[in-house]
Amino acid sequence: EAGVVQSPRYKIIEKKQPVAFWCNPISGHNTLYWYLQNLGQGPELLIRYENEEAVDDSQLPKDRFSAERLKGVDSTLKIQPAELGDSAVYLCASSLDGQGGETQYFGPGTRLLVL
Amino acid sequence: QKEVEQNSGPLSVPEGAIASLNCTYSDRGSQSFFWYRQYSGKSPELIMSIYSNGDKEDGRFTAQLNKASQYVSLLIRDSQPSDSATYLCAVRPGNNRLAFGKGNQVVVIP
Repeated sequence: EAGVVQSPRYKIIEKKQPVAFWCNPISGHNTLYWYLQNLGQGPELLIRYENEEAVDDSQLPKDRFSAERLKGVDSTLKIQPAELGDSAVYLCASSLDGQGGETQYFGPGTRLLVL
Repeated sequence: QKEVEQNSGPLSVPEGAIASLNCTYSDRGSQSFFWYRQYSGKSPELIMSIYSNGDKEDGRFTAQLNKASQYVSLLIRDSQPSDSATYLCAVRPGNNRLAFGKGNQVVVIP
Protein backbone atom coordinates (compact mmCIF):
# COMPACT_ATOMS: atom_id res chain seq x y z
CA GLU A 1 0.00 0.00 0.00
CA ALA A 2 1.42 3.37 -0.98
CA GLY A 3 1.91 5.87 1.80
CA VAL A 4 1.10 9.55 1.93
CA VAL A 5 2.80 11.33 -0.95
CA GLN A 6 3.96 14.92 -0.76
CA SER A 7 5.67 17.20 -3.23
CA PRO A 8 7.94 18.97 -3.50
CA ARG A 9 10.25 17.56 -0.86
CA TYR A 10 12.26 20.78 -0.66
CA LYS A 11 11.50 24.34 -1.64
CA ILE A 12 13.59 27.48 -1.40
CA ILE A 13 11.93 30.80 -2.16
CA GLU A 14 12.43 34.46 -1.47
CA LYS A 15 10.15 36.25 0.94
CA LYS A 16 6.94 37.65 -0.49
CA GLN A 17 6.85 34.92 -3.14
CA PRO A 18 3.98 32.41 -3.27
CA VAL A 19 4.49 28.71 -2.66
CA ALA A 20 2.26 25.64 -2.88
CA PHE A 21 2.51 22.16 -1.43
CA TRP A 22 0.68 19.09 -2.68
CA CYS A 23 -0.45 16.00 -0.80
CA ASN A 24 -1.96 12.71 -1.91
CA PRO A 25 -3.29 10.71 1.05
CA ILE A 26 -3.42 6.96 1.45
CA SER A 27 -6.15 5.52 -0.75
CA GLY A 28 -9.45 5.32 1.09
CA HIS A 29 -8.48 7.72 3.87
CA ASN A 30 -11.25 10.26 4.33
CA THR A 31 -9.43 12.54 6.75
CA LEU A 32 -6.48 14.66 5.72
CA TYR A 33 -4.35 16.91 7.92
CA TRP A 34 -1.80 19.60 7.26
CA TYR A 35 0.74 20.21 10.02
CA LEU A 36 3.59 22.64 10.45
CA GLN A 37 6.70 21.49 12.31
CA ASN A 38 9.39 23.89 13.43
CA LEU A 39 12.84 22.66 14.38
CA GLY A 40 12.83 21.09 17.85
CA GLN A 41 9.06 21.22 18.14
CA GLY A 42 6.20 18.82 17.61
CA PRO A 43 3.82 19.12 14.65
CA GLU A 44 1.11 21.75 14.96
CA LEU A 45 -2.18 21.30 13.15
CA LEU A 46 -3.00 23.86 10.46
CA ILE A 47 -6.14 22.33 8.99
CA ARG A 48 -8.12 19.09 9.02
CA TYR A 49 -10.38 17.87 6.24
CA GLU A 50 -13.16 15.32 6.43
CA ASN A 51 -13.56 14.40 2.77
CA GLU A 52 -13.70 17.80 1.02
CA GLU A 53 -14.90 19.76 4.05
CA ALA A 54 -12.47 21.72 6.22
CA VAL A 55 -13.75 20.82 9.69
CA ASP A 56 -10.96 22.42 11.72
CA ASP A 57 -9.08 25.39 10.29
CA SER A 58 -8.92 27.50 13.43
CA GLN A 59 -5.10 27.35 13.49
CA LEU A 60 -4.65 28.31 9.83
CA PRO A 61 -3.35 31.90 9.37
CA LYS A 62 -5.97 32.82 6.84
CA ASP A 63 -4.40 36.13 5.85
CA ARG A 64 -1.67 34.30 3.95
CA PHE A 65 -2.44 30.59 4.05
CA SER A 66 -5.11 28.79 2.09
CA ALA A 67 -5.89 25.15 1.45
CA GLU A 68 -8.21 23.11 -0.68
CA ARG A 69 -9.17 19.50 -1.07
CA LEU A 70 -11.21 19.27 -4.21
CA LYS A 71 -13.02 15.96 -4.74
CA GLY A 72 -11.98 14.86 -1.26
CA VAL A 73 -8.70 13.26 -2.29
CA ASP A 74 -5.61 15.37 -3.09
CA SER A 75 -4.98 18.56 -1.21
CA THR A 76 -2.98 21.71 -1.80
CA LEU A 77 -1.68 24.12 0.82
CA LYS A 78 -0.66 27.57 -0.36
CA ILE A 79 1.19 30.46 1.22
CA GLN A 80 1.01 33.89 -0.36
CA PRO A 81 3.06 35.87 0.36
CA ALA A 82 5.66 33.82 2.21
CA GLU A 83 7.47 35.34 5.19
CA LEU A 84 10.81 34.45 6.74
CA GLY A 85 9.03 32.88 9.71
CA ASP A 86 7.28 30.39 7.45
CA SER A 87 10.49 28.39 7.08
CA ALA A 88 9.57 24.98 8.51
CA VAL A 89 8.57 21.46 7.53
CA TYR A 90 5.03 21.10 6.27
CA LEU A 91 3.63 17.65 6.97
CA CYS A 92 0.56 16.05 5.47
CA ALA A 93 -1.11 13.15 7.23
CA SER A 94 -4.17 11.03 6.61
CA SER A 95 -6.38 8.66 8.54
CA LEU A 96 -9.37 6.48 7.79
CA ASP A 97 -11.61 8.90 9.63
CA GLY A 98 -11.19 11.71 12.09
CA GLN A 99 -12.62 10.02 15.15
CA GLY A 100 -10.56 9.70 18.29
CA GLY A 101 -8.07 6.89 18.18
CA GLU A 102 -7.60 6.55 14.43
CA THR A 103 -3.95 6.31 13.45
CA GLN A 104 -2.57 9.21 11.47
CA TYR A 105 -0.02 8.33 8.80
CA PHE A 106 2.42 11.06 7.90
CA GLY A 107 3.96 11.88 4.57
CA PRO A 108 7.68 12.70 4.19
CA GLY A 109 7.03 16.43 4.47
CA THR A 110 8.06 19.48 2.48
CA ARG A 111 10.99 21.47 3.85
CA LEU A 112 10.46 25.15 3.10
CA LEU A 113 13.21 27.73 3.36
CA VAL A 114 12.23 31.36 2.90
CA LEU A 115 15.15 33.69 2.22
CA GLN B 1 0.02 25.76 30.31
CA LYS B 2 0.84 23.74 27.22
CA GLU B 3 -1.52 20.95 26.24
CA VAL B 4 1.29 18.37 26.17
CA GLU B 5 4.60 18.76 27.97
CA GLN B 6 7.77 16.81 27.48
CA ASN B 7 10.39 18.56 29.54
CA SER B 8 13.32 16.18 29.69
CA GLY B 9 16.43 17.03 27.73
CA PRO B 10 18.25 14.57 25.45
CA LEU B 11 18.42 11.10 27.00
CA SER B 12 21.56 9.03 26.54
CA VAL B 13 21.31 5.33 27.38
CA PRO B 14 23.77 2.46 26.91
CA GLU B 15 22.83 -0.22 24.45
CA GLY B 16 20.72 -2.86 26.19
CA ALA B 17 19.49 -0.52 28.92
CA ILE B 18 15.96 0.81 29.50
CA ALA B 19 15.02 4.24 28.19
CA SER B 20 12.19 5.96 30.07
CA LEU B 21 10.26 8.92 28.65
CA ASN B 22 7.54 10.92 30.36
CA CYS B 23 4.79 13.21 29.17
CA THR B 24 2.10 15.22 30.98
CA TYR B 25 -1.07 16.71 29.54
CA SER B 26 -3.47 19.41 30.65
CA ASP B 27 -6.91 18.35 29.37
CA ARG B 28 -8.37 15.95 31.91
CA GLY B 29 -10.98 14.87 29.36
CA SER B 30 -8.39 13.45 26.97
CA GLN B 31 -9.10 9.89 25.93
CA SER B 32 -6.47 8.92 23.33
CA PHE B 33 -2.71 8.91 23.80
CA PHE B 34 0.05 8.14 21.33
CA TRP B 35 3.81 7.86 21.07
CA TYR B 36 5.42 8.68 17.73
CA ARG B 37 9.03 8.11 16.75
CA GLN B 38 10.74 10.57 14.45
CA TYR B 39 14.16 9.94 12.98
CA SER B 40 16.20 12.99 12.01
CA GLY B 41 14.92 14.42 8.75
CA LYS B 42 12.02 11.98 8.59
CA SER B 43 8.33 12.16 9.40
CA PRO B 44 6.71 10.86 12.60
CA GLU B 45 5.60 7.24 12.73
CA LEU B 46 3.25 5.77 15.31
CA ILE B 47 4.79 3.21 17.64
CA MET B 48 2.23 2.98 20.46
CA SER B 49 -1.32 4.01 21.27
CA ILE B 50 -3.03 3.67 24.64
CA TYR B 51 -6.57 4.51 25.72
CA SER B 52 -7.06 3.11 29.24
CA ASN B 53 -5.17 3.31 32.50
CA GLY B 54 -2.37 0.85 33.01
CA ASP B 55 0.34 -0.65 30.87
CA LYS B 56 0.34 -1.69 27.23
CA GLU B 57 3.22 -3.71 25.88
CA ASP B 58 4.29 -4.14 22.26
CA GLY B 59 7.59 -5.88 21.76
CA ARG B 60 10.30 -3.86 23.48
CA PHE B 61 7.97 -0.89 24.01
CA THR B 62 5.65 -0.36 26.98
CA ALA B 63 3.28 2.58 27.26
CA GLN B 64 1.91 3.52 30.67
CA LEU B 65 -1.10 5.74 31.26
CA ASN B 66 -2.27 7.35 34.49
CA LYS B 67 -5.30 9.55 33.83
CA ALA B 68 -5.65 10.62 37.47
CA SER B 69 -2.15 12.08 37.40
CA GLN B 70 -2.44 13.11 33.74
CA TYR B 71 0.75 11.51 32.56
CA VAL B 72 1.75 8.98 29.98
CA SER B 73 5.13 7.32 29.72
CA LEU B 74 7.07 5.15 27.31
CA LEU B 75 9.63 2.53 28.24
CA ILE B 76 12.04 1.11 25.69
CA ARG B 77 13.62 -2.12 26.92
CA ASP B 78 16.88 -3.53 25.58
CA SER B 79 17.59 -0.24 23.79
CA GLN B 80 19.25 -0.56 20.40
CA PRO B 81 21.19 2.02 18.37
CA SER B 82 18.25 1.97 15.92
CA ASP B 83 16.08 3.40 18.71
CA SER B 84 18.05 6.66 18.55
CA ALA B 85 15.41 9.17 17.51
CA THR B 86 13.07 11.83 18.84
CA TYR B 87 9.97 10.49 20.57
CA LEU B 88 6.84 12.61 20.37
CA CYS B 89 3.99 12.29 22.84
CA ALA B 90 0.59 13.10 21.35
CA VAL B 91 -2.74 13.51 23.10
CA ARG B 92 -6.24 13.90 21.70
CA PRO B 93 -8.12 16.31 24.01
CA GLY B 94 -11.83 17.01 23.83
CA ASN B 95 -11.63 19.13 20.69
CA ASN B 96 -10.57 16.09 18.64
CA ARG B 97 -7.35 17.81 17.56
CA LEU B 98 -4.16 15.83 18.13
CA ALA B 99 -1.75 17.84 20.28
CA PHE B 100 1.95 16.99 20.19
CA GLY B 101 4.67 17.60 22.72
CA LYS B 102 7.99 18.99 21.53
CA GLY B 103 9.60 15.58 21.74
CA ASN B 104 12.46 13.96 23.62
CA GLN B 105 15.65 12.95 21.86
CA VAL B 106 17.00 9.51 22.74
CA VAL B 107 20.58 8.53 21.96
CA VAL B 108 21.53 4.88 22.41
CA ILE B 109 25.27 4.47 22.90
CA PRO B 110 26.76 1.22 21.55
